[in-house]
Amino acid sequence: SQTIHQWPATLVQPVGSPLSLECTVEGTSNPNLYWYRQAAGRGLQLLFYSVGIGQISSEVPQNLSASRPQDRQFILSSKKLLLSDSGFYLCAWSVGGGGEQYFGPGTRLTVT
Amino acid sequence: GEDVEQSLFLSVREGDSSVINCTYTDSSSTYLYWYKQEPGAGLQLLTYIFSNMDMKQDQRLTVLLNKKDKHLSLRIADTQTGDSAIYFCAETYSGGYQKVTFGIGTKLQVIP
Repeated sequence: SQTIHQWPATLVQPVGSPLSLECTVEGTSNPNLYWYRQAAGRGLQLLFYSVGIGQISSEVPQNLSASRPQDRQFILSSKKLLLSDSGFYLCAWSVGGGGEQYFGPGTRLTVT
Repeated sequence: GEDVEQSLFLSVREGDSSVINCTYTDSSSTYLYWYKQEPGAGLQLLTYIFSNMDMKQDQRLTVLLNKKDKHLSLRIADTQTGDSAIYFCAETYSGGYQKVTFGIGTKLQVIP
């Protein structure tokens, strides 16, 4: 069966510090991978998606970036965090037709 | 562009039926989904319906689709306290990389 992992689960970082959030998927090959941000417990904002290794598309201009160094690994990064980067970050994967997405447990980021 | 709208809040008594509504704008939508998010967790895919269907039933869940009015609803029969969560309506369309557009989420509160 497929599983998706995210870490860390929670993170408190000062403004201006770097960020690295990691997501890995097990039990499937060549998944589509997604990073979302959920602010204030609501609405999902798609940040990045990837259809393959090294293929990253950005949906929203910001100070975040994403990379996919391996088939089932997706990393969200920032060189300098802003207060507005606080939120709940969710990684998701999908494969095949239908577009059903399967979400990881999320990372709660607080920028102070 | 695509847009998905939901009411923000719904309160029901335990044992009653809950009906969560959603409207969408993209007439080319091919799949419509309902996701559930419990506090502090990722999203869980509950059910989905193809755009050529009017209804889908899965145990206590009934999904109704009115394609003419672009209206989707989720009915939960015999609502339990464990059903308290945020419910997201989402849509996608064939082609591309299966981008999913989510609504803002409806918070369901079940009163014992």
